[in-house]
Amino acid sequence: AQTVTQSQPEMSVQEAETVTLSCTYDTSENNYYLFWYKQPPSRQMILVIRQEAYKQQNATENRFSVNFQKAAKSFSLKISDSQLGDTAMYFCAFISLPSGTYKYIFGTGTRLKVLA
Amino acid sequence: KAGVTQTPRYLIKTRGQQVTLSCSPISGHRSVSWYQQTPGQGLQFLFEYFSETQRNKGNFPGRFSGRQFSNSRSEMNVSTLELGDSALYLCASSSRGPRTGELFFGEGSRLTVL
Repeated sequence: AQTVTQSQPEMSVQEAETVTLSCTYDTSENNYYLFWYKQPPSRQMILVIRQEAYKQQNATENRFSVNFQKAAKSFSLKISDSQLGDTAMYFCAFISLPSGTYKYIFGTGTRLKVLA
Repeated sequence: KAGVTQTPRYLIKTRGQQVTLSCSPISGHRSVSWYQQTPGQGLQFLFEYFSETQRNKGNFPGRFSGRQFSNSRSEMNVSTLELGDSALYLCASSSRGPRTGELFFGEGSRLTVL
């Protein structure tokens, strides 16, 4: 069975500091995508960053970057220069695409609090 | 472009009742998926529809059902409600285009079962 594990239920970081959120996954598929989604308090979930499994280069979006270790099945998110607006639940998600169907698997989330 | 719209936003039901939730995807998006979000469990995949066909289903009992209409709007229904069905139900749409897999979420429907 495919699983996504986020082992850090809660984390905190000082404003302007760097924090890394961990995510591991398990799959026997070769063609898949990995995502980090952000859910601010009482607001909609939005995509932070995505990574195609066939790409070796780690994805980067401004202050957000990932460390994708395919062999270790690890997909961590690094937030640099943390801002108060980064306070949110962060979900790691996995999708494989056998036969063109979509089935997302999400982790249980990491609640990140950025401290002023 | 309007985002994903879910109605109702909040609702309270009692055990044994049924509920129908609605989701209007972003215009042009043909894929709609549903998720149950509870504290500690994260998001659990319910089902995904594409062009009115259910393409995938999560591990939920048959009391949870859904459908998609020709305009891509989707509904999910939960019959014989149980206390454990209290959750935030999220709908997401996707274009299945170059940005494969990117989901656009609605604000959710928060269901409380008493």
